[in-house]
This record gives sequence, structure tokens and C-alpha cells, in this order.
Amino acid sequence: EAQVTQNPRYLITVTGKKLTVTCSQNMNHEYMSWYRQDPGLGLRQIYYSMNVEVTDKGDVPEGYKVSRKEKRNFPLILESPSPNQTSLYFCASSLSFQATEAFFGQGTRLTVV
Amino acid sequence: QKEVEQNSGPLSVPEGAIASLNCTYSDRGSQSFFWYRQYSGKSPELIMFIYSNGDKEDGRFTAQLNKASQYVSLLIRDSQPSDSATYLCAVIRGGSYIPTFGRGTSLIVHP
Repeated sequence: EAQVTQNPRYLITVTGKKLTVTCSQNMNHEYMSWYRQDPGLGLRQIYYSMNVEVTDKGDVPEGYKVSRKEKRNFPLILESPSPNQTSLYFCASSLSFQATEAFFGQGTRLTVV
Repeated sequence: QKEVEQNSGPLSVPEGAIASLNCTYSDRGSQSFFWYRQYSGKSPELIMFIYSNGDKEDGRFTAQLNKASQYVSLLIRDSQPSDSATYLCAVIRGGSYIPTFGRGTSLIVHP
């Protein structure tokens, strides 16, 4: 089954404690991206990756890091989380950035206290 | 500042009616336009994309793009209660890889 898998689904952490949200896709997609969704602000892209070892900033990259060492995985790293990073996070993948099909993970609800 | 505006709604339509969802954008360089559906508590699903002026039909969905007036709309014919969701409009500027999303319109289809 074609899917994008994010883990964990829910996470409560404390300010400053490094965390990683994993994202994996099984469709051999080249394009992957991370979004955060906040009430009243909508979806905003954090980082995207056009292919292995090719990543670039989206609209709101501050406080986040990503890596793309393998085609299937695109982890999101918060080196020192802060309360303003409390949000719902989605990973997405597609064949290309303008592909006709895009697949989203189930979401990760992160709370930083 | 790139802006994508959507009426937050809720837009309420009876079952079987046509639901019309609208989106305006400020960046005249925008070239790619997408509609996503998001059920409450779920992840977004891409349902339509359009690049050229005019209409694009896919089943019960029709996307309409008017670049001169800077709007893109989504029509849902024969609306069903299962269409009740939030619809997100996204726009990508030519040469960019970063979509700008609207805040979404909540659609309620009542039996």
C-alpha cells in the first residue's frame, strides 16, 4: 500500500530537548516536504527536498533542520524546541513538486511545554 | 507578501446542490494552483490542480482559473454529505517550489 508514515503521532516534550519526527514513504518519490498547520494560519511549508541530498527552506524554516540521506526518509529535527513550535506537522511526498498526486502522512501533533 | 485568501465559511449547501468555493491570490507570478480537501482531524488530500486559464473537470469537481482576475474556484456538483470538509487552496509562483496556502473554507453539505 502506497503511504507516507510519520512517527510519532503525538508528542509532548519540554523546551530545549532535541527531538526528531520521522517521515518515510514507500513510493520512490523524489519530492518530499514538511508543513506545519496552525489555527488561523493554515498550512505553511517548513522545508522541502527535490531529491537525495537536495533540501531547501520553505516559508518557515527557523528552528528546524532536515536531512535527506535516503530517498525514502525525510526526518524533521528540532534541535531546541520552543513553545511556539507547538503545532500539527505533516510530511508529504510526490513524484515531483507539481505532481498530480501528493500523499500526506497522518500528522504529528507536537506540544512543547 | 504572497497572499492567498479564502472565505473561512462555513459554506452550507443542501445535498445535490453545487458548492462553489473561491480563492483569490495576490501574486501575479503564480502559475500552479491546487485544491486540497481536509476532513476534520485528518491530513490533506490533493483533489485538483490547474495550470491554465479556463475550466478543468474531474468527475464531480471542476476547477476554474482566471489569471487576469487572480482567482481560482472549485465547483462540486451533486454535493454529498461526504464532501463536508475544509477545502484548501494552494498557489505556487513560477520558478518557486514553495506553495502558499489559503486558510481554507469549511463546507457543510446537509441532507
